[in-house]
Amino acid sequence: AQSVSQHNHHVILSEAASLELGCNYSYGGTVNLFWYVQYPGQHLQLLLKYFSGDPLVKGIKGFEAEFIKSKFSFNLRKPSVQWSDTAEYFCAVRMTGANNLFFGTGTRLTVIP
Amino acid sequence: EPEVTQTPSHQVTQMGQEVILRCVPISNHLYFYWYRQILGQKVEFLVSFYNNEISEKSEIFDDQFSVERPDGSNFTLKIRSTKLEDSAMYFCASSYPVGGKGQPQHFGDGTRLSIL
Repeated sequence: AQSVSQHNHHVILSEAASLELGCNYSYGGTVNLFWYVQYPGQHLQLLLKYFSGDPLVKGIKGFEAEFIKSKFSFNLRKPSVQWSDTAEYFCAVRMTGANNLFFGTGTRLTVIP
Repeated sequence: EPEVTQTPSHQVTQMGQEVILRCVPISNHLYFYWYRQILGQKVEFLVSFYNNEISEKSEIFDDQFSVERPDGSNFTLKIRSTKLEDSAMYFCASSYPVGGKGQPQHFGDGTRLSIL
């Protein structure tokens, strides 16, 4: 069965630290990949997406992610986090031809001022 | 920026009762979705809806559940004979069909359903 794994459940960083959140998926075919963010009390918002082309994608608020097909990974990165990045981050995968998204369990990021 | 809106934000219902969760997708979107997130667990796909019919559904979406687009703006999820394990946050999402199914989904704030 298809699955999405986010191994970091809770990450605590100081402001200006670099961030990398892991995401791995299990599916051998073509995928679309997404990172969503959920700020406290708010809805899921799209951070960035990968459909095809350059495997390094840039999103909003200085986030980027790299698709490494051989590793079935789509890790999220930010060189310098801010307190306002405190949120829950969800990786999601959609198999080509399907409608639905498969989500990871989410990673809670806490940034300490 | 247009948003997906969901009502109510919190619904408390007695076990065995029926509940209807409401969503207003973004106006020019044509694909609609329901997901749920049980506390502490991952967001799970329930159903997708296109052209007035279900296009995909998960194993979770059994006969207890139904969806409807009763008019041009609302998209509802009905849960019959609610059980304690139906307690969760329910998210509605919609997407625009340009390029087929490949467009990102926009999510609402969710409805927290509590079954007593």
